[in-house]
Amino acid sequence: GDSVTQMEGPVTLSEEAFLTINCTYTATGYPSLFWYVQYPGEGLQLLLKATKADDKGSNKGFEATYRKETTSFHLEKGSVQVSDSAVYFCALTDSWGKLQFGAGTQVVVTP
Amino acid sequence: EAGVVQSPRYKIIEKKQPVAFWCNPISGHNTLYWYLQNLGQGPELLIRYENEEAVDDSQLPKDRFSAERLKGVDSTLKIQPAELGDSAVYLCASSAGTRDTGELFFGEGSRLTVL
Repeated sequence: GDSVTQMEGPVTLSEEAFLTINCTYTATGYPSLFWYVQYPGEGLQLLLKATKADDKGSNKGFEATYRKETTSFHLEKGSVQVSDSAVYFCALTDSWGKLQFGAGTQVVVTP
Repeated sequence: EAGVVQSPRYKIIEKKQPVAFWCNPISGHNTLYWYLQNLGQGPELLIRYENEEAVDDSQLPKDRFSAERLKGVDSTLKIQPAELGDSAVYLCASSAGTRDTGELFFGEGSRLTVL
């Protein structure tokens, strides 16, 4: 079935460093792709999405590009802040329209 | 605008006891979801409602889990009896409309510990 694989955490980096979280997917059709974020003590919230190949989703300085040729949707941010510390989930909508999540990647940003 | 509200936030029970979780979705959201999130894993869908109809409950363990959304607004998820392996976070989410766009709004979750 359709699935998402993302890099394991925790990812620890200093403030203003460049962040990349790798995400690859397996799908039979043409899924939409998402990044959700869970800040400490809060519910998951949608960070960005892309609905077709070569689309770039962006929000709060984060970007991810839907790469059909490499079946990837890597999340990037050029300069992280302490407030970006959270758990990031890559997800897709499968052929049934159901949202499938990856295992999550914890990011810790230190001052 | 109020978000998705869940209660209780935390619940500790002994195995074989019943437990119930309540969710109030964002006003006007027709679709409501219950997800299970085990430690270190992503959320997994238990059941999805469109208004008061359960349209996908294929992953709900029906021998001990039940859910209802009687008036198409708030919802309750029940476990009876609870087992040790049910310790997890139970997430409720809602979305506008009935077409699954993947854009969900989540509550803060109800963390269950079964002793």
